[in-house]
Amino acid sequence: GNSVTQMEGPVTLSEEAFLTINCTYTATGYPSLFWYVQYPGEGLQLLLKATKADDKGSNKGFEATYRKETTSFHLEKGSVQVSDSAVYFCAHQALGQLTFGSGTQLTVLP
Amino acid sequence: GAVVSQHPSRVICKSGTSVKIECRSLDFQATTMFWYRQFPKKSLMLMATSNEGSKATYEQGVEKDKFLINHASLTLSTLTVTSAHPEDSSFYICSAPAGGSLSYEQYFGPGTRLTVT
Repeated sequence: GNSVTQMEGPVTLSEEAFLTINCTYTATGYPSLFWYVQYPGEGLQLLLKATKADDKGSNKGFEATYRKETTSFHLEKGSVQVSDSAVYFCAHQALGQLTFGSGTQLTVLP
Repeated sequence: GAVVSQHPSRVICKSGTSVKIECRSLDFQATTMFWYRQFPKKSLMLMATSNEGSKATYEQGVEKDKFLINHASLTLSTLTVTSAHPEDSSFYICSAPAGGSLSYEQYFGPGTRLTVT
């Protein structure tokens, strides 16, 4: 079946630290992959996406590469900011239906 | 970008009453919308797929008689929690694929916080 497994949180980093949040998936076919971010008190927002193998999605300094061979889509950022504190969800989409990972709470300290 | 709204953003109701939550696509038509439930510090759980002009499709374990879904028009889907109980307290989120196709990006509403006392 379809599933998404992402790194358990919470993750606490100091400002300007390097961030990696691991995400792996199982799916039939070739799903599109997403990272969503949920800031405190707000709804989900699309952070970045990749629709085929080896695609790299990027936005606001965050990057993730669609790795078909390892079925992974790890999220990275070279230098996090306090404003990046949020919950991050990895997801894949097949036939319009999104399957989410459990979410990773990130707290960035000044 | 596309906008999806939800109303109300927050509602408190008494046990045994029913609550209706609206999900609207503001600048695009959506023949399909999705309803999710998010528990505290947990992921989103897909509850059902709302289909304009036909019955909703419910995920396994979701009671269709308790969570009534009506997709009244191409821009509006409603979720009614009937005979609410405290365990129904949660954050309910809807989404819709922009462009009217399931292959398009999903846009999410801001969510509705339901508290049943």
